[in-house]
Amino acid sequence: KNQVEQSPQSLIILEGKNCTLQCNYTVSPFSNLRWYKQDTGRGPVSLTIMTFSENTKSNGRYTATLDADTKQSSLHITASQLSDSASYICVVSAKGAAGKSTFGDGTTLTVKP
Amino acid sequence: GAVVSQHPSWVICKSGTSVKIECRSLDFQATTMFWYRQFPKQSLMLMATSNEGSKATYEQGVEKDKFLINHASLTLSTLTVTSAHPEDSSFYICSALYSGNNEQFFGPGTRLTVL
Repeated sequence: KNQVEQSPQSLIILEGKNCTLQCNYTVSPFSNLRWYKQDTGRGPVSLTIMTFSENTKSNGRYTATLDADTKQSSLHITASQLSDSASYICVVSAKGAAGKSTFGDGTTLTVKP
Repeated sequence: GAVVSQHPSWVICKSGTSVKIECRSLDFQATTMFWYRQFPKQSLMLMATSNEGSKATYEQGVEKDKFLINHASLTLSTLTVTSAHPEDSSFYICSALYSGNNEQFFGPGTRLTVL
């Protein structure tokens, strides 16, 4: 069964600090892994998308890594800002699944001043 | 990135009425769109896969006669919640699949409240 597990479930950090969110998956055969940011009451917004051959991708202060061998990904946020407070969702797609994806439950990040 | 819109952004209706939610891909064509619902503090739950020109594929436990999906064009899919009840109150989100890189682009969501 395809599964995506994220940790921690929630995280509180001070503004300006860095943090790392984790995503482990068992989706097979692997197609791509995406990180989304979802603000409360809004739809998810794509941060990064990585395929099998990519092991790191950055988008501003967000850097995602992918280890396809261990089936792990991380999202690193540097110099956090109050606006980073949101839910971060890891989504993994399998090949040939017509785009259907497996969603993690998300990590709720709270950045405090 | 590509833009997906939803309309309305929020709706309040009486129990027993039907509500239609539109999902549009604004700058690309999408043969496949997805409909999700999300309860507070929970992840998105896939309800159905909408395919242009054919019947939608519903996930287990989702009533196809209650949640009517129509994907009449390559840029528009609609979800109609029929005979809505308070337990249907939720956040409904659509996404459109960009075939170029198999990436999903999400709409901003529709907050449905059934009184």
